[in-house]
Amino acid sequence: QQQVKQSPQSLIVQKGGIPIINCAYENTAFDYFPWYQQFPGKGPALLIAIRPDVSEKKEGRFTISFNKSAKQFSLHIMDSQPGDSATYFCAASRSYKLSFGAGTTVTVRA
Amino acid sequence: DTEVTQTPKHLVMGMTNKKSLKCEQHMGHRAMYWYKQKAKKPPELMFVYSYEKLSINESVPSRFSPECPNSSLLNLHLHALQPEDSALYLCASSQVYSRTNEKLFFGSGTQLSVL
Repeated sequence: QQQVKQSPQSLIVQKGGIPIINCAYENTAFDYFPWYQQFPGKGPALLIAIRPDVSEKKEGRFTISFNKSAKQFSLHIMDSQPGDSATYFCAASRSYKLSFGAGTTVTVRA
Repeated sequence: DTEVTQTPKHLVMGMTNKKSLKCEQHMGHRAMYWYKQKAKKPPELMFVYSYEKLSINESVPSRFSPECPNSSLLNLHLHALQPEDSALYLCASSQVYSRTNEKLFFGSGTQLSVL
């Protein structure tokens, strides 16, 4: 049973566009929501993370929006570049274990 | 040094072989993890070591045997694997293994093919 639902499965944007990836969860015990970026042939790398007491967090061109009441959170990539083409995983955790979303493959066309 | 180094990068083995995957980090992290990742799927947790002791085994079959010889090294011993075990095996580390979920640093993985 997938505890974090992620959409879309894939998306394609033009350079400078703003890809948006959405995630939803049910378990209100989750207290940490990271996003990981994975390039082909590499392991995931932590991109940005948020805790449920914050509604928005920005790091460079990456922004997480968090809606605690709706149990949803999303990643926005501002001014996307071809180098941002990768698979993005949202995740949620309580205790020791990360529950990953299914992943979104983002392609940014030049 | 913020790297987690995994060797080998690629491994092909038969179902009767015994092989080992190796992972090393020199960040002083005291928690180390093994994940399994199938193509186009998210990583799945297999094992967690905290201060060189096995803390979590996510009901992994006994044909996978982890070992943590010291705080910098993590091994995964493989024996009598099945073709469905073919996957990318990722090692990760974090400062400590705690409820607050420290940042995980992943290695690039070992791409395993079982014939």
